[in-house]
Amino acid sequence: DVKVTQSSRYLVKRTGEKVFLECVQDMDHENMFWYRQDPGLGLRLIYFSYDVKMKEKGDIPEGYSVSREKKERFSLILESASTNQTSMYLCASSLSVGLGALSYEQYFGPGTRLTVT
Amino acid sequence: TQLLEQSPQFLSIQEGENLTVYCNSSSVFSSLQWYRQEPGEGPVLLVTVVTGGEVKKLKRLTFQFGDARKDSSLHITAAQPGDTGLYLCAGPNAGGTSYGKLTFGQGTILTVHP
Repeated sequence: DVKVTQSSRYLVKRTGEKVFLECVQDMDHENMFWYRQDPGLGLRLIYFSYDVKMKEKGDIPEGYSVSREKKERFSLILESASTNQTSMYLCASSLSVGLGALSYEQYFGPGTRLTVT
Repeated sequence: TQLLEQSPQFLSIQEGENLTVYCNSSSVFSSLQWYRQEPGEGPVLLVTVVTGGEVKKLKRLTFQFGDARKDSSLHITAAQPGDTGLYLCAGPNAGGTSYGKLTFGQGTILTVHP
């Protein structure tokens, strides 16, 4: 079974702090994704990575950065946390492209509920 | 821009009832997936449908992909409280450099009362 783990289930940070959210997958997946999930807004893609050190912006990258130094690990960084970044953050991974429908099956971690006060 | 519209947004039913959730688009998708997310957890992949007209069953859950691959439905027979959760449909982004990105529907929140 694919396992995606996230470093924290719950996190409370103060405005202006630098926040690191870590995600690790154990299935040698090429693609990794960071989403945030808010009521009424659904899942929104922040950043994704299709290989080590390769990253691309998603739909809402402002205020975030990412790092992928190793294939299994994808970190989301909030450079200066703000209250509007209070949200549920979900990490996901998937196989490499070129495998048809299998390429798009995403496996999610349990989520980190971040509160910024 | 590809969009997936789910209906209904909310569903509150009694244990034992049947229900259907719909996922519609004006775009053709090469495949569609359904996920279930329990409160406080991440989404879990339930099924992928690939062929137009395809029907897949997972115990009491029946998934169908429309003939034109623009829509899908999820039917639950004799719902149980354990079926409670957010149901999401998702499909691959079009384009050669999609890198496995998905378009997600807004979700259907299902509550099954004992």
